[in-house]
Amino acid sequence: NAGVTQTPKFQVLKTGQSMTLQCAQDMNHEYMSWYRQDPGMGLRLIHYSVGAGITDQGEVPNGYNVSRSTTEDFPLRLLSAAPSQTSVYFCASRKGRDYEQYFGPGTRLTVT
Amino acid sequence: GESVGLHLPTLSVQEGDNSIINCAYSNSASDYFIWYKQESGKGPQFIIDIRSNMDKRQGQRVTVLLNKTVKHLSLQIAATQPGDSAVYFCAENPVFGNEKLTFGTGTRLTIIP
Repeated sequence: NAGVTQTPKFQVLKTGQSMTLQCAQDMNHEYMSWYRQDPGMGLRLIHYSVGAGITDQGEVPNGYNVSRSTTEDFPLRLLSAAPSQTSVYFCASRKGRDYEQYFGPGTRLTVT
Repeated sequence: GESVGLHLPTLSVQEGDNSIINCAYSNSASDYFIWYKQESGKGPQFIIDIRSNMDKRQGQRVTVLLNKTVKHLSLQIAATQPGDSAVYFCAENPVFGNEKLTFGTGTRLTIIP
C-alpha cells in the first residue's frame, strides 16, 4: 500500500489564485481529514469527512472547500489564495472512529 | 514541556538513556489523548494513545502516563536511539473517536550519540 499520498509536495501561489491540493489513500479508510501546520502552533483541523459524500467543517474552514466523491480521494480547494494560507498542509485518514490516523507527507504552500 | 511560543522546547538525551517528554493539556473534560512523532519533512506518526479512564499505557519502548488531577501527560521513551530524534506532540479530544483533536506545539527531541 502507498498509504496516504499528497500532491504537490511544494507550491507557490500568488494572492488571488486558486488551486487544489490532492489527497488519496489506498487503505479503504472511511475517515479523512485536512490539517494545516503553522510555526508555533499545533495542527489545526480544516475540514473532515467520515465517508463518501459526507464532509464537515473543522476549526479553520474559511477559504477552503472540500468534497468527497470517492472513498479514496479528498481534495482541498483554495478558492482565492491569501498570504495567511501560507502553511504546511497535511491530509490524514483512518479506518473508523476507533482507529489511529495515518498522515500524508504534506504539501508546503507559499502564497505571495 | 510544550509551549505555544514560536520556539519549540528542546530535549537532548544521550543515546541509550530514557527520555521523558511532557505535555500540559487544557481541557479537563478531555477523554482521549494521543502522542505523535514527526520527523523533519514528514507527516506526524501515531505513537501511542490513552483513554481518560487509564493512568498508564505501555507500548514498545514507550509509556504514556496520564495525570488528570493536574492535566498532565507524559511520554517516556526507553533506551533512546538515533531514530527517535524528532518532534513529539500530544493531542487531546473531549470525545473519543471524533475528529476534533486539539494538538500541542511539540517538543524537539535530539539524541546525542
